[in-house]
Amino acid sequence: GQSLEQPSEVTAVEGAIVQINCTYQTSGFYGLSWYQQHDGGAPTFLSYNALDGLEETGRFSSFLSRSDSYGYLLLQELQMKDSASYFCAVRDGADKLIFGTGTRLQVFP
Amino acid sequence: EAGVAQSPRYKIIEKRQSVAFWCNPISGHATLYWYQQILGQGPKLLIQFQNNGVVDDSQLPKDRFSAERLKGVDSTLKIQPAKLEDSAVYLCASSLMGFGEKLFFGSGTQLSVL
Repeated sequence: GQSLEQPSEVTAVEGAIVQINCTYQTSGFYGLSWYQQHDGGAPTFLSYNALDGLEETGRFSSFLSRSDSYGYLLLQELQMKDSASYFCAVRDGADKLIFGTGTRLQVFP
Repeated sequence: EAGVAQSPRYKIIEKRQSVAFWCNPISGHATLYWYQQILGQGPKLLIQFQNNGVVDDSQLPKDRFSAERLKGVDSTLKIQPAKLEDSAVYLCASSLMGFGEKLFFGSGTQLSVL
């Protein structure tokens, strides 16, 4: 079977750093994507890792370890607007994306 | 650049009725996806098109769900007859061919089956 596991909820305060982990077990693996979804909104793309290591995009960074079937999203200098759900998604096959269960991040002042 | 367009935004129907959703992807995006997102869960892929051909429909409940993509552009997803458990947000997404890691999603259709 295919599974992607994430913590269901994470809380933090403004200005802090938070890490959202994702472990996966899929039949095929091309890379790991991260998406953000605000309540009532559409998922929006944040980052993608095809190779091991860290990718940095502004306040957000994403890490992948293919040998451990593990990745994480790191959010720095948290802002209230970062309160949202975050999904990891495995690119399984050339253009197929399988989403995880999602992590709800709540940022407090 | 226009995003992925979906309609309607909301739909309320009774069980056993039929419903249809429409999607217009970003111009030039060959790959189109329909996802079902139940409240509190991640999006679940129902069907994937590349141009007007089906790439993957392994999780589409074919006894009640159908989808088509005419001329490789617009797409419609139909449910007939609807069940209570079909209540969800139906998301359409598109991507450039070969860039399946980066999907562009529409605002979705929130379906309530009573």
